[in-house]
Amino acid sequence: AQKVTQAQTEISVVEKEDVTLDCVYETRDTTYYLFWYKQPPSGELVFLIRRNSFDEQNEISGRYSWNFQKSTSSFNFTITASQVVDSAVYFCALSNQAGTALIFGKGTTLSVSS
Amino acid sequence: SQTIHQWPATLVQPVGSPLSLECTVEGTSNPNLYWYRQAAGRGLQLLFYSVGIGQISSEVPQNLSASRPQDRQFILSSKKLLLSDSGFYLCAWSSISQGEQYFGPGTRLTVT
Repeated sequence: AQKVTQAQTEISVVEKEDVTLDCVYETRDTTYYLFWYKQPPSGELVFLIRRNSFDEQNEISGRYSWNFQKSTSSFNFTITASQVVDSAVYFCALSNQAGTALIFGKGTTLSVSS
Repeated sequence: SQTIHQWPATLVQPVGSPLSLECTVEGTSNPNLYWYRQAAGRGLQLLFYSVGIGQISSEVPQNLSASRPQDRQFILSSKKLLLSDSGFYLCAWSSISQGEQYFGPGTRLTVT
């Protein structure tokens, strides 16, 4: 069975702090895909990144970075120098095949105060 | 570029009334389409997905149904709403070759 665990329910930081959102996944498939989505207060889910199981390279996009480690089944997301606009619910998700349903974690609510 | 629309944005319906939520995608052909529900407490639950016209897979047994009358149109329906149907309904699309799904703005449904 597939499962995504986001153990951190809520995180509060002050602007300019770095913050890491944890994601642990479970799957028996050798090929799978991992995702991160952002849900701001407006409600719409915004796609941030997709990582394939055969590509363990970490990725950096501006203040965002992702650390994928198959050995620990983790796909963690770090925001550097957080800003108030980063306040949102962040979801990690998993699928075993392109174009199929996503299994979501329960999300982590990030609050960044000024 | 591709866009996805959902309507209505908000809806308040009494228990026992019917429901019809519509989702349309522009700028792509033969997308995979999905309906998710997000209840209070924010977990996202897949309700239905479709890989083509008339092809619907149901993930969770319930009093909801889905239809895909056209390639880029996905409809979520109910004949009689229950209080437990309240939530935030999100439609999403993906291409066959890419894993990521792109979500619409959602419909906030309150059943009273």
